[in-house]
Amino acid sequence: EAGVVQSPRYKIIEKKQPVAFWCNPISGHNTLYWYRQNLGQGPELLIRYENEEAVDDSQLPKDRFSAERLKGVDSTLKIQPAELGDSAVYLCASSQPVNTEAFFGQGTRLTVV
Amino acid sequence: AQRVTQPEKLLSVFKGAPVELKCNYSYSGSPELFWYVQYSRQRLQLLLRHISRESIKGFTADLNKGETSFHLKKPFAQEEDSAMYYCALRKTEQGNLIFGKGTKLSVKP
Repeated sequence: EAGVVQSPRYKIIEKKQPVAFWCNPISGHNTLYWYRQNLGQGPELLIRYENEEAVDDSQLPKDRFSAERLKGVDSTLKIQPAELGDSAVYLCASSQPVNTEAFFGQGTRLTVV
Repeated sequence: AQRVTQPEKLLSVFKGAPVELKCNYSYSGSPELFWYVQYSRQRLQLLLRHISRESIKGFTADLNKGETSFHLKKPFAQEEDSAMYYCALRKTEQGNLIFGKGTKLSVKP
């Protein structure tokens, strides 16, 4: 079992450019989370999916961030356009029905220059 | 608002010494509390959760509702315990985890 798989691991882009992150959760996990972790901080939730439905996106900056989870499996998180302050590690996690252990991916480290 | 506070950014101890990583939370209901650990170059992983009341790798944590604390303890620290430790809270009615800022534990030989 590979666990939660994220790609790319690292991404460097210029500000105002678009960027996308991909996440493949553990097979059978219906709940998927995207977190953002700024330097020196703990992870903060961006969006949570139950199957293909976004059930909590209250912390997602919707003017520039978007996410989708087609068919309730893989998910993509997009930023367009990126800003310098978006530099962070973007973590994906998945779990079975909502109140069980969340398993995290390795994360994507985004640097916006 | 719900909040998790880890007052120490860095905790440095010698091998064999006791270690306590502090965690305080604010939440009006009955939360679930967790400790997550991230070893160097590895992903964030669950260390223990309060409802399990178990010891993992020699670590224990007791939920103190009166003091709203969930401190992580180990009587004899090992070098391999060096890592980032995050305390997290989950409200019982939904699945989102609210993390503290983390404490870096450094165990010196």
